[in-house]
Amino acid sequence: DARVTQTPRDKVTEMGQEVTMRCQPILGHNTVFWYRQTMKQGLELLAYFRNRAPLDDSGMPKDRFSAEMPDATLATLKIQPSEPRDSAVYFCASGLWGGDTQAFFGQGTRLTVV
Amino acid sequence: QKEVEQDPGPLSVPEGAIVSLNCTYSNSAFQYFMWYRQYSRKGPELLMYTYSSGNKEDGRFTAQVDKSSKYISLFIRDSQPCDSATFLCAMHSGGYQKVTFGTGTKLQVIP
Repeated sequence: DARVTQTPRDKVTEMGQEVTMRCQPILGHNTVFWYRQTMKQGLELLAYFRNRAPLDDSGMPKDRFSAEMPDATLATLKIQPSEPRDSAVYFCASGLWGGDTQAFFGQGTRLTVV
Repeated sequence: QKEVEQDPGPLSVPEGAIVSLNCTYSNSAFQYFMWYRQYSRKGPELLMYTYSSGNKEDGRFTAQVDKSSKYISLFIRDSQPCDSATFLCAMHSGGYQKVTFGTGTKLQVIP
């Protein structure tokens, strides 16, 4: 059963610390998305990649967030330094993009910055 | 104003009721419309996927799209307690465009 895998599931960290979240997309999918979900804003797109190339990261605070795909089986989202307002659930999703596009989500990383 | 608007609820209904969930949107370029279901502490899972205007039925679920009104709906017949979840609408304009989500409607089906 193919699925998107995210690690860690939960992360509690102190303000100012670096946080790295990892995602293994479904094998064969060429598009990877990073979303952040909060009660207030819902699901917000932070960045997405096509064939490992960043296509749009306009949703991401550039001064502290960075997203990369070092290879086709790994996407990372890094926050440095972390702040309490970054507390949220971060989701990775992957899909095979074209006209008929469906995004498959991982279980998310619940980040708490204290 | 957000591109996609969705009433957050919560919506509480008795078991067996017909549920209607709705979203409105402002971007006329959207052509592909989806409904995701999200259980607590889980990632969203795709429930329904439709292209352009019209209806699509899958079991107890019916998705409706009215592009002229920029309005989409999800109907759940014979609702069950296991339908208690947050339902998110999502849409995109096709090709390689990003998917935009509504904020989700929380549904509770009471036995």
